[in-house]
Amino acid sequence: QSALTQPASVSGSPGQSITISCTGSSSDVGTYNLVSWYQQHPGKAPKLMVSEVTKRPSGVSNRFSGSKSGNTASLTISGLQAEDEADYYCCSYAGSSPYVFGSGTKVTVL
Amino acid sequence: QVQMQESGPGLVKPSETLSLTCTVSGYSVSSGYYWGWIRQSPEKGLEWIATVYHSGNTYYNPSLKSRVTISVDTSKNQFSLNLSSVTAADTAVYYCARSFGSFHAFDIWGQGTSVTVSS
Repeated sequence: QSALTQPASVSGSPGQSITISCTGSSSDVGTYNLVSWYQQHPGKAPKLMVSEVTKRPSGVSNRFSGSKSGNTASLTISGLQAEDEADYYCCSYAGSSPYVFGSGTKVTVL
Repeated sequence: QVQMQESGPGLVKPSETLSLTCTVSGYSVSSGYYWGWIRQSPEKGLEWIATVYHSGNTYYNPSLKSRVTISVDTSKNQFSLNLSSVTAADTAVYYCARSFGSFHAFDIWGQGTSVTVSS
């Protein structure tokens, strides 16, 4: 199972909105609504930001939102803040190889 | 508040078996949820290894299945990972994590433990 494709980096100024894409296939993202997004700061464990495409866990800011269209899922961060600077990973259920992760996107706040 | 803590050797010799334990506090592993191991290396990124349910049902990454065993010890509120015949490619940070479904997202993670495979 190939990793999901994410842009290596995305940047934005404070207050702006950015969107991170996660492209898979009909074997994973396109078929299952089990796409999740994780935020990871350097030296820290990943933190769940969005599950099941659009669901935000308790405590996660509503500035983070998820969506999906076809084989591509997206994470949008609105009102970008300095603390949002981190690596972000998508993950999808993929049937026979249950979890497949994305390659990761480094978000830089300018 | 649920917390998870990995423990195990930081250095393992090639061809030996890597054994890690995750101790869960603030929640009983026998009460539900699924418990998994994920690793992260610069070469492979994040890679799911295995998941276990409190009943003992197990799920494995097909690419690692022949070398991996995951188990749960409800009496100690722990679950464990054994990875046999390790090579340098198994060098990574290993995380334990909780999932609310067999293939659902991992909502709580341990801090991770770094494992190096070297002679």
